[in-house]
Amino acid sequence: SAVISQKPSRDICQRGTSLTIQCQVDSQVTMMFWYRQQPGQSLTLIATANQGSEATYESGFVIDKFPISRPNLTFSTLTVSNMSPEDSSIYLCSVDLRGRDGYTFGSGTRLTVV
Amino acid sequence: GENVEQHPSTLSVQEGDSAVIKCTYSDSASNYFPWYKQELGKRPQLIIDIRSNVGEKKDQRIAVTLNKTAKHFSLHITETQPEDSAVYFCAARRANDYKLSFGAGTTVTVRA
Repeated sequence: SAVISQKPSRDICQRGTSLTIQCQVDSQVTMMFWYRQQPGQSLTLIATANQGSEATYESGFVIDKFPISRPNLTFSTLTVSNMSPEDSSIYLCSVDLRGRDGYTFGSGTRLTVV
Repeated sequence: GENVEQHPSTLSVQEGDSAVIKCTYSDSASNYFPWYKQELGKRPQLIIDIRSNVGEKKDQRIAVTLNKTAKHFSLHITETQPEDSAVYFCAARRANDYKLSFGAGTTVTVRA
């Protein structure tokens, strides 16, 4: 199975600043997904990132707040912009492994905004 | 979109007993149903999945059953062990779609 590296693993940020989270996969994948998991909650899809096209955002999430890059088939970044304490959460990337249906998750980024 | 409901939200079982978690889905076009286990502080991990052309699938102590008519699927864990303690999420995906819709999760505690 693919290895997914996500960094940083955690960060504490000041409100009003931005944080970029990186997701690196050791094999080429078509789709990469970014999720948010608030404390004690389920997984909420933020957006889907395909290489070479604009990311597709879910209802309630906008590009200005969560810009995404997908420069190639093994890498993606999610930026959390102009952060507020409400953005404190775990952010996870996920990939659609070729030949499998089960999506694999990165180790997550625990973000605390103070 | 697809709506997945999961019950119970918490489940406490004695070691060695069985645990059952049930999920219902709204869209009859859904055809893929994975289950994820998330231990504290760790990433969700796929533990078993089932497609709509199969009624049951088993992997050692874990099994999943699917009732397409009633639009529900269940996770069964037999002979539970302390390491089964975790949060379990069900999910569903519609045919010709790429997104998973997750249930709210079930916190399972196995008492020694």
